[in-house]
Amino acid sequence: GAGVSQSPSNKVTEKGKDVELRCDPISGHTALYWYRQRLGQGLEFLIYFQGNSAPDKSGLPSDRFSAERTGESVSTLTIQRTQQEDSAVYLCASSSPRGAYNEQFFGPGTRLTVL
Amino acid sequence: AQSVSQHNHHVILSEAASLELGCNYSYGGTVNLFWYVQYPGQHLQLLLKYFSGDPLVKGIKGFEAEFIKSKFSFNLRKPSVQWSDTAEYFCAVNQAGTALIFGKGTTLSVSS
Repeated sequence: GAGVSQSPSNKVTEKGKDVELRCDPISGHTALYWYRQRLGQGLEFLIYFQGNSAPDKSGLPSDRFSAERTGESVSTLTIQRTQQEDSAVYLCASSSPRGAYNEQFFGPGTRLTVL
Repeated sequence: AQSVSQHNHHVILSEAASLELGCNYSYGGTVNLFWYVQYPGQHLQLLLKYFSGDPLVKGIKGFEAEFIKSKFSFNLRKPSVQWSDTAEYFCAVNQAGTALIFGKGTTLSVSS
């Protein structure tokens, strides 16, 4: 079946504007994760959704960042009043937590550039 | 705080050379360990994983990794690299049902 998809693949925006990034997880995967990768850095965890549980927002860097997920499907990551330091590749991953094993499958990412 | 350290930022090898990439983690309790690879222009793919059992795990494309609990290490190895192994390699750790904590990555460049 289809893998994790993300849109747009690239986004260029001006400082101060809001952006929305979309993630479509693998069908049937109950867990969804957002990460970001800034230049020269590893991946940083942002937020985690698991089924109908309250999301784990512990990785969000500021209150300008928020995310929503509709049931066990699409998720949207919103960044308000973007800053230049928000420039990064934003990655989405999904997994099916059967037992203790939750291999995460990654999407291609959205490259965000804030001018 | 939990963390993952990858000691080599950039490794340059000739084809047929042996590879070992270091990964150490700081994480209490039982952990799951992963190596992901990102080939140029492609998205992250799982190379191999360790959950339990035999600490020597084999992955795709001839890669293997050894979990040494006493050293909090999960080093990646390949006896003979190929030009097509040129990529960025990420070590990651988590506990069941939690987000992955990644190292900063190692760029491997293999010359033919």
